[in-house]
Amino acid sequence: DQQVKQNSPSLSVQEGRISILNCDYTNSMFDYFLWYKKYPAEGPTFLISISSIKDKNEDGRFTVFLNKSAKHLSLHIVPSQPGDSAVYFCAATQTNSGYSTLTFGKGTMLLVSP
Amino acid sequence: ETGVTQTPRHLVMGMTNKKSLKCEQHLGHNAMYWYKQSAKKPLELMFVYNFKEQTENNSVPSRFSPECPNSSHLFLHLHTLQPEDSALYLCASSQDPSGGATDTQYFGPGTRLTVL
Repeated sequence: DQQVKQNSPSLSVQEGRISILNCDYTNSMFDYFLWYKKYPAEGPTFLISISSIKDKNEDGRFTVFLNKSAKHLSLHIVPSQPGDSAVYFCAATQTNSGYSTLTFGKGTMLLVSP
Repeated sequence: ETGVTQTPRHLVMGMTNKKSLKCEQHLGHNAMYWYKQSAKKPLELMFVYNFKEQTENNSVPSRFSPECPNSSHLFLHLHTLQPEDSALYLCASSQDPSGGATDTQYFGPGTRLTVL
């Protein structure tokens, strides 16, 4: 049973527009959430995170929103750029688990066209 | 070399072969991880080593045998694998996993393994 779900395998957006990637989770013990970005032939790289005590975290063009009651988070990229084309993974963890074991979603492939 | 490196990048092996995957981190981190990513599945945590001690074994079959001789190196020894073990194997490291979830994991590029 998947505890972190990314229901959209792919997303296509035009350059300059907003990209919205969604993620749902089922484990109510998760209290810290991360987004990783992966280019082909490279490992995932950390992008942005959010603690459950917040509902929004912003870093430049990237903003993550968390809706705890809905167990839903989303990553907004504004404006989208062709270099943002990659696979985006949502991950979640419990901060009281002693060490940072991450549960990942399957990923969403974002394609930003010029 | 910087970051997390993995060798080989690609590996094809038969079911009776024995091979090893190598991971090295140049970040001075204390924890290392093995993940498996099968086609159309999420990344799955296999093993965690913290200060060279294995702290997590996520119900991985014994045909996968990890080794962590020091905080900078991690190996995954493979023997008598099955075709369904074909996947991308990713190594990661982090500074101090006892710090909890804010301890960011840094990933290597992965080894693409094909078992014939």
